[in-house]
Amino acid sequence: DADVTQTPRNRITKTGKRIMLECSQTKGHDRMYWYRQDPGLGLRLIYYSFDVKDINKGEISDGYSVSRQAQAKFSLSLESAIPNQTALYFCATRGWSDTETQYFGPGTRLLVL
Amino acid sequence: GQNIDQPTEMTATEGAIVQINCTYQTSGFNGLFWYQQHAGEAPTFLSYNVLDGLEEKGRFSSFLSRSKGYSYLLLKELQMKDSASYLCAVSGNNRLAFGKGNQVVVIP
Repeated sequence: DADVTQTPRNRITKTGKRIMLECSQTKGHDRMYWYRQDPGLGLRLIYYSFDVKDINKGEISDGYSVSRQAQAKFSLSLESAIPNQTALYFCATRGWSDTETQYFGPGTRLLVL
Repeated sequence: GQNIDQPTEMTATEGAIVQINCTYQTSGFNGLFWYQQHAGEAPTFLSYNVLDGLEEKGRFSSFLSRSKGYSYLLLKELQMKDSASYLCAVSGNNRLAFGKGNQVVVIP
């Protein structure tokens, strides 16, 4: 079984709709992250969390919100989706040290019409 | 803040060697990671450097010069399955800052 899972894997939605992307991990890591990836722009950090109820903004948090109700789960919400939020979204986890790698989920491909 | 720079694309022949460069400027440094990412898939860890010098891992090697803010990833004996994007990421301030990635296309 995968250590980091994301649901859904693909989603099509319409402008103005609220959607939630879920991330679960079995690695026991405290640190969790949400990124989006767009062609030519690389991975950009949306939000991150170091513990339950701890929430920190990344470089592109506008239009997004997150929830960390349990160590193993970190969900990302788009309150009112817009077409330029069409992207590939990745969740990642990391151990306690900055010398450790991040482990990525398989990604969620989102299309906003 | 952090600024990571990578060239965008290169093509190489099967069996060849390619070097992918990464330069960075950062206010906090706890090492540099290299990841491989196939199209539409998640990045996967390749290597980590925190001290100056070369780290070798099979066909892949990674080099770091902290004073120059420079790293490279060396891919030897290229195989078709090495066609992917290669991302460098600087660790610091509790997060990873990613470069935009370098697309390597391996041709027969």
